[in-house]
Amino acid sequence: DARVTQTPRHKVTEMGQEVTMRCQPILGHNTVFWYRQTMMQGLELLAYFRNRAPLDDSGMPKDRFSAEMPDATLATLKIQPSEPRDSAVYFCASGLAGIPEAFFGQGTRLTVV
Amino acid sequence: SQQGEEDPQALSIQEGENATMNCSYKTSINNLQWYRQNSGRGLVHLILIRSNEREKHSGRLRVTLDTSKKSSSLLITASRAADTASYFCATDGTSGSRLTFGEGTQLTVNP
Repeated sequence: DARVTQTPRHKVTEMGQEVTMRCQPILGHNTVFWYRQTMMQGLELLAYFRNRAPLDDSGMPKDRFSAEMPDATLATLKIQPSEPRDSAVYFCASGLAGIPEAFFGQGTRLTVV
Repeated sequence: SQQGEEDPQALSIQEGENATMNCSYKTSINNLQWYRQNSGRGLVHLILIRSNEREKHSGRLRVTLDTSKKSSSLLITASRAADTASYFCATDGTSGSRLTFGEGTQLTVNP
């Protein structure tokens, strides 16, 4: 059945390393969201795309984070260099413009040591 | 900052009891949604209520919306142990489809 797929599910990396998280939205969906979830901050919107174009990435630290959609079936979130404070669960969600419901992936649990 | 704030932060009840969670938000909205998150999993959409609606039902779920108070409530009736999860409200503002989540209510239903 249709679902949002995120890889990897878990990632442990050392401070300073580059981290790339990938998301495959549901086929046909034209809106993609990236969220970060921590105990302290809850769910924070980092960026969202419509038809592969970034509409809002104001929630994303620009100096180290970047988000792209190389094509309609792949969204990436990159952190370079990673820091311990980036440790969180990163969720990708997809949807259709004009339809409010968002479909979430299972998340990537990132630990930066 | 978060658009929505849930209340209470945590709720523990016995199976069969009703659970009520509240959400307040700050700006005008197009609609409000409730999502559920099981531990270690992604969020799952439960129910949506539009800004011109006051109440909506879906199975054991009942959602109310009071736009004058900028608040919503989610009622789960006849709760089950399987309802144990975190529940989040989410709003999208009138200016676009940016979806903003509250801090969530952790519901524990004891068998």
